[in-house]
Amino acid sequence: GEDVEQSLFLSVREGDSSVINCTYTDSSSTYLYWYKQEPGAGLQLLTYIFSNMDMKQDQRLTVLLNKKDKHLSLRIADTQTGDSAIYFCAATSNDYKLSFGAGTTVTVRA
Amino acid sequence: ETGVTQTPRHLVMGMTNKKSLKCEQHLGHNAMYWYKQSAKKPLELMFVYSLEERVENNSVPSRFSPECPNSSHLFLHLHTLQPEDSALYLCASSQGGVNEQFFGPGTRLTVL
Repeated sequence: GEDVEQSLFLSVREGDSSVINCTYTDSSSTYLYWYKQEPGAGLQLLTYIFSNMDMKQDQRLTVLLNKKDKHLSLRIADTQTGDSAIYFCAATSNDYKLSFGAGTTVTVRA
Repeated sequence: ETGVTQTPRHLVMGMTNKKSLKCEQHLGHNAMYWYKQSAKKPLELMFVYSLEERVENNSVPSRFSPECPNSSHLFLHLHTLQPEDSALYLCASSQGGVNEQFFGPGTRLTVL
């Protein structure tokens, strides 16, 4: 099955950019997602990218996809305290099955 | 508001109890999912239903029994659970298989 890996922790100063990295193993993955989970809540879809795209920008969020290296990143510009959360990378490996990473806990410090 | 609701939000049960988790989606989706989220581990897909038929069952112990009576409702029936089953159980729905999944807030389950 698909393995999705991401670093577990990231600490960033308020106002700086955050970059969260993710690698996956299945080169046939068609959609790649970033989800955000705040304390006590479920997962909220932040953005996604289709595998034939290199980059997608949505306001403060930029997703970069290197399909050759099977590497996905999420950049959050001007990081705010409200961005403190766990961020999950996920990839589709076949119909219906989303494979998730373990999540990166982002802590924003003043 | 994600359009996916789960009840109860918190549940404490003994190993001999029988309980059920409920999920309801108000998005008109045709696929629903149960995930288990344990600390510092990737989300584990447990069950997938598409058009009320089970299409995926990831070797989940029989003490977890899903039920999907219609495309808007999904249940997870629990019996004789173990303490290691304590986790956050998340429900999700999607339209089709490869489209994004929308998650509920989860049920925090503690098995004593």
